[in-house]
Amino acid sequence: EVQLVESGGGLIQPGRSLRLSCEASRFTFDEYAMHWVRRAPGKGLEWVAGISSNSGDIGYADSVKGRFTISRDNARNSLYLQMDSLTLEDTALYYCATYSHDHPLFESWGQGTLVTVSS
Amino acid sequence: NFMLTQPHSVSGSPGKTVTISCTRSSGSIASNYVQWYQQRPGSSPTPVISEDRQRPSGVPDRFSGSIDGSSNSASLTISGLKTEDEADYFCQSYDSNNYVFGGGTKLTVL
Repeated sequence: EVQLVESGGGLIQPGRSLRLSCEASRFTFDEYAMHWVRRAPGKGLEWVAGISSNSGDIGYADSVKGRFTISRDNARNSLYLQMDSLTLEDTALYYCATYSHDHPLFESWGQGTLVTVSS
Repeated sequence: NFMLTQPHSVSGSPGKTVTISCTRSSGSIASNYVQWYQQRPGSSPTPVISEDRQRPSGVPDRFSGSIDGSSNSASLTISGLKTEDEADYFCQSYDSNNYVFGGGTKLTVL
């Protein structure tokens, strides 16, 4: 069964930076596109960023474009999200998720890592 | 960019049937597939419908999806409600490297 373990969340002041990691196991990581999705307290799911299997195709939500950078290291089976210039609105539980080969679907999700932006 | 609008909440009794709608603000609902995810309290989201009406492996056939071009909306129907179905449900679609989720619907099983 696919395993995704996020880490790197925490309490951070507005304007500062944070780097999230997602360690993948029990599947062939370098064959899958990967995404970050977040859920703010009391709100719904929001797609944040996605990256293709070979890092050749990358996309961001307008709300994070220019501030967040998604990357991956296939040798380490890891996905990253560099978050700069954090704002209060970035407070959320951040999930990494696989994107299915066969269907347009966020197929497997990690348990999430909590980012709290507060002064 | 388009938006997906869902009702904030729905409720139903055990054994009954509920339907959750998801209306696309612009562009045809049929132009890109709609997916549905279930998120129970304290858990991560899991997919329950893919490509408008397909059930991923392991999802019971009590869950069904459809789209309606006349209302430009998708629907998730859950029949034979169980207490374990109580959760938040999100529709999701996409368009040129942009992925959009609906605001979510809280299902209460009374």
